[in-house]
Formats: sequence, structure tokens, C-alpha cells
Amino acid sequence: AQTVTQSQPEMSVQEAETVTLSCTYDTSENNYYLFWYKQPPSRQMILVIRQEAYKQQNATENRFSVNFQKAAKSFSLKISDSQLGDTAMYFCAFMKIQGAQKLVFGQGTRLTINP
Amino acid sequence: NAGVTQTPKFQVLKTGQSMTLLCAQDMNHEYMSWYRQDPGMGLRLIHYSVGAGITDQGEVPNGYNVSRSTTEDFPLRLLSAAPSQTSVYFCASSPWDANEKLFFGSGTQLSVL
Repeated sequence: AQTVTQSQPEMSVQEAETVTLSCTYDTSENNYYLFWYKQPPSRQMILVIRQEAYKQQNATENRFSVNFQKAAKSFSLKISDSQLGDTAMYFCAFMKIQGAQKLVFGQGTRLTINP
Repeated sequence: NAGVTQTPKFQVLKTGQSMTLLCAQDMNHEYMSWYRQDPGMGLRLIHYSVGAGITDQGEVPNGYNVSRSTTEDFPLRLLSAAPSQTSVYFCASSPWDANEKLFFGSGTQLSVL
């Protein structure tokens, strides 16, 4: 079975700073997806970024980028030029490529951006 | 295009009561699933479906039933609610040929007293 671990329950940074959220996972699969989801106080689950394991290039979406280390089974999220609107819970998640839509989530990191 | 619609948004039950959480999507997605979110934990998969008439258990299925009679709807039934089922419930859907592109509903906050 797959497991996802986020070892930072809470983080806090000043606005405009860069912050990195950590995620490690355990799997015997070779092909899979990794995700970072944002959950603001509205409770909505918002996809931040997605990485395919078979792609060596790290995914980026504007201020958000990942450092994907497949051999180390590590998938960290870097937020550059952080903004107040980035304040939220962030979840790392894993999904096998083949088969049904079955996400495995980490415990989450509560990120606070201070003015 | 409404996406994934969950009803109700909030519900309070007494122990032993039954209730159905509704989930509907208008994107003709084959894959649908239910997750629960508890404090200090990420979302955990309850049940999932790969198409009408086909359902299977996820990580935490006990106490919940599902059925999928249409592509659009995937209701989650609590037959006899327990305080341990107090949680936030999310429904999600995705197309079969891009199952990594999930659409989430806005969630249902359920309290069982």
C-alpha cells in the first residue's frame, strides 16, 4: 500500500518570502501521479500542481514549483513570492496511473502567510 | 456547467439515524469517489466507482454504502450514524481517460451527536 507523509504540521512565513513544503511517499509503483492540493478556509480542494512520475522535468505553475526526487521518493512544493492568499492547508497526494481514481493523501501542512 | 454538486453542505444527525449524502456531476465523468476528511489527517477514500453499476471499497468503507445507478449520481448512505462518522465528506469525479484530472465538490460537514 502507498503512504504519503508530510512532516511539517504548520509553517509560517512573511509575505513575499519563499517557502518550501515537504512531502515523502512510499510506493513500489514505477508510474504514478503526485499532486499538491490547496484547501483554503472555504474548504474547497484546489489543485496547485501535478507531476507525472515518468517526466523528469519538475512541474511549475507560475509561483509554484516542485522538486521531484523519484529515487528518494520526495516531492516538495516551493512557493515563491508568497502572498496572503496562499494561506491555506496544503495536501500532498499520490495516485497510481493505472486503475481507478484513488488518491492517497498526506496529513497536510497548515501554511500561514503573515503581512 | 455546475461541475460536482454536493448536498447538503451541513448536516447534524443523532446517533443511529440514517442519511444519504448526495453527489451529482454534469461532466459525464465515469470515475467518481467519496472521501472523508478528519482533523489532523488528509482525505481518506471511502468508496469509488468506475462507471454506472460498478462500485468498490476504498480505505475506510465500514458504515457506508454506495450505489451508482446513473453516470451522473453517486450517493453515499449512512445506515446508522455513529459519532465516529463526524467528518467533512468530499465527492470527486474524473474522466476515465484522464483520471488524474479530478474535480472536487465543495464538501459536506456532518456532525453526529
